[in-house]
Amino acid sequence: DTGVSQNPRHKITKRGQNVTFRCDPISEHNRLYWYRQTLGQGPEFLTYFQNEAQLEKSRLLSDRFSAERPKGSFSTLEIQRTEQGDSAMYLCASSKSDSSFITGLAPSEQFFGPGTRLTVL
Amino acid sequence: AQSVTQLDSQVPVFEEAPVELRCNYSSSVSVYLFWYVQYPNQGLQLLLKYLSGSTLVESINGFEAEFNKSQTSFHLRKPSVHISDTAEYFCAVTTTPQLTFGKGTLLTVNP
Repeated sequence: DTGVSQNPRHKITKRGQNVTFRCDPISEHNRLYWYRQTLGQGPEFLTYFQNEAQLEKSRLLSDRFSAERPKGSFSTLEIQRTEQGDSAMYLCASSKSDSSFITGLAPSEQFFGPGTRLTVL
Repeated sequence: AQSVTQLDSQVPVFEEAPVELRCNYSSSVSVYLFWYVQYPNQGLQLLLKYLSGSTLVESINGFEAEFNKSQTSFHLRKPSVHISDTAEYFCAVTTTPQLTFGKGTLLTVNP
């Protein structure tokens, strides 16, 4: 399977604990994105990487959240001191960089993983 | 800033009936538009996209969407739906690498 994979698929934790999620993108994709989806809402952007560089972070990404992408391959998203409001589906997506498109400007398709569902008790 | 409004949270229809899922966007600059579909217990999949050129775009499974700049809309249509089309559909817009999604429309196709 050459799609985007995420682990674990489900995580239940107690309030105050730290959790870490992993995303493995499609191998030739140099962009990696994290989104969060809560019940009844569409996915909301959290952050994205171009290779190993974290280029943008949403205001949704509080100080308790940190994301890394060492060596520009897989990525981890850590939430420290979890709160009940952190309960959500965390989605990872990957894409080629836009410069690979023939038009030079149009965005490349983002391919999404199955998500990690976090429940904070 | 950009935003997406999906006007219907749920759309129930009978099999073989036509369906339209509505999407309006707001942006101060030119945008690229997408429809994603999420089948039960699966990840998001790209259904179709408008980048430039013809304002009518089609998917391989019979859906189509029309970009209307004056109405700032990108409604999704299918002339005859199947049970297997039951899923949640998300409209999304982008001018930057990240996508801005609407809240989604749950399409339920009943026999």
